[in-house]
Amino acid sequence: AQSVSQHNHHVILSEAASLELGCNYSYGGTVNLFWYVQYPGQHLQLLLKYFSGDPLVKGIKGFEAEFIKSKFSFNLRKPSVQWSDTAEYFCAVNARSGYALNFGKGTSLLVTP
Amino acid sequence: NAGVTQTPKFQVLKTGQSMTLQCAQDMNHNSMYWYRQDPGMGLRLIYYSASEGTTDKGEVPNGYNVSRLNKREFSLRLESAAPSQTSVYFCASSEGGALEKLFFGSGTQLSVL
Repeated sequence: AQSVSQHNHHVILSEAASLELGCNYSYGGTVNLFWYVQYPGQHLQLLLKYFSGDPLVKGIKGFEAEFIKSKFSFNLRKPSVQWSDTAEYFCAVNARSGYALNFGKGTSLLVTP
Repeated sequence: NAGVTQTPKFQVLKTGQSMTLQCAQDMNHNSMYWYRQDPGMGLRLIYYSASEGTTDKGEVPNGYNVSRLNKREFSLRLESAAPSQTSVYFCASSEGGALEKLFFGSGTQLSVL
């Protein structure tokens, strides 16, 4: 079955720490990959996306993600987190043969001052 | 530019009651989606409409019906609400399919007692 797995459900970091959130998917064909973010009290917003080309994708607010095809992974990274990065982060995958966007269960990130 | 507008923002129902969640987008997008968000489950696709006049089931369609009234509007109906349908419901739209960026509404928090 197709699925999206996010390894960390809750992450707590201090400001200036580095961040890496894992995302793995199980799809047989070509995929499009996304990271969405949901700040407290707000709706989901696109953080970054990968369709093709350079597997290292840069998004908003200093985030980046690397697509590693051999590992079926699309991990999200940020060198130095800020308190304002406190949010829930969702990895999502679209199999190019369909319209559905399948989300992982999310990772709740808390950044402490 | 309002984007994706959902009504109502909050609703409390008794088991067995029916209601319709409304969603409208003003971006001339072709595709629209209904997701539910539950703690620890991430977002799950209920139904989607790839284009005006078409609707398809997503991951969790049971207990729901949808209507793509026109290109702007995509409603979600609960015919006989159950406590298991207590959730936050998000409507989203995109220009093409999920290949493109999803724009989300602010959500409807539904409680079924």
